[in-house]
Amino acid sequence: EAQVTQNPRYLITVTGKKLTVTCSQNMNHEYMSWYRQDPGLGLRQIYYSMNVEVTDKGDVPEGYKVSRKEKRNFPLILESPSPNQTSLYFCASRTGGAVNEQFFGPGTRLTVL
Amino acid sequence: LAKTTQPISMDSYEGQEVNITCSHNNIATNDYITWYQQFPSQGPRFIIQGYKTKVTNEVASLFIPADRKSSTLSLPRVSLSDTAVYYCLVGDDTGANNLFFGTGTRLTVIP
Repeated sequence: EAQVTQNPRYLITVTGKKLTVTCSQNMNHEYMSWYRQDPGLGLRQIYYSMNVEVTDKGDVPEGYKVSRKEKRNFPLILESPSPNQTSLYFCASRTGGAVNEQFFGPGTRLTVL
Repeated sequence: LAKTTQPISMDSYEGQEVNITCSHNNIATNDYITWYQQFPSQGPRFIIQGYKTKVTNEVASLFIPADRKSSTLSLPRVSLSDTAVYYCLVGDDTGANNLFFGTGTRLTVIP
């Protein structure tokens, strides 16, 4: 089954404790993205990747890091999480250009205390 | 990227046809119009895309007038399971970045 998977689905952590949210897709897509979703602010893009070893900032990259060492994986790293990073996070992938259909993962709900 | 404006929320009764209009006055010649649907606590899901006139699939129809400055997503005979947030996105294929989602329209279907 074609899908985007994220882990963990739920995470409660404390300020300053480094964490990684994994994202994996099995569709051989070149493009992968991370979004965060907050009430009243909609979906905002954090980082995106056009292919292996090629990443760039989205609209809200501060406090986040990403890497793309393999085509299928695109982990999101929070080196020193803060409470304002409490949010619902989505990973997405697509093939081809920006108008092509994006496939989203199930989401990771992160709470930083 | 062309800016889009859509209603924040809409209510509808079950069985009715729902039309959600999106305004995109600054749409460019190469831009496509894409709609996504998002259920609570799930990622958005692509539902339909068009460039001009009318597009129909098994889920919805998309009406785009000749000037393309707006578009209307039409959901026939909605059910409670159509309660979701609907996003209108406008953009072309030239950029590497993704389309801008915004806050969407929250549709609530009432029994």
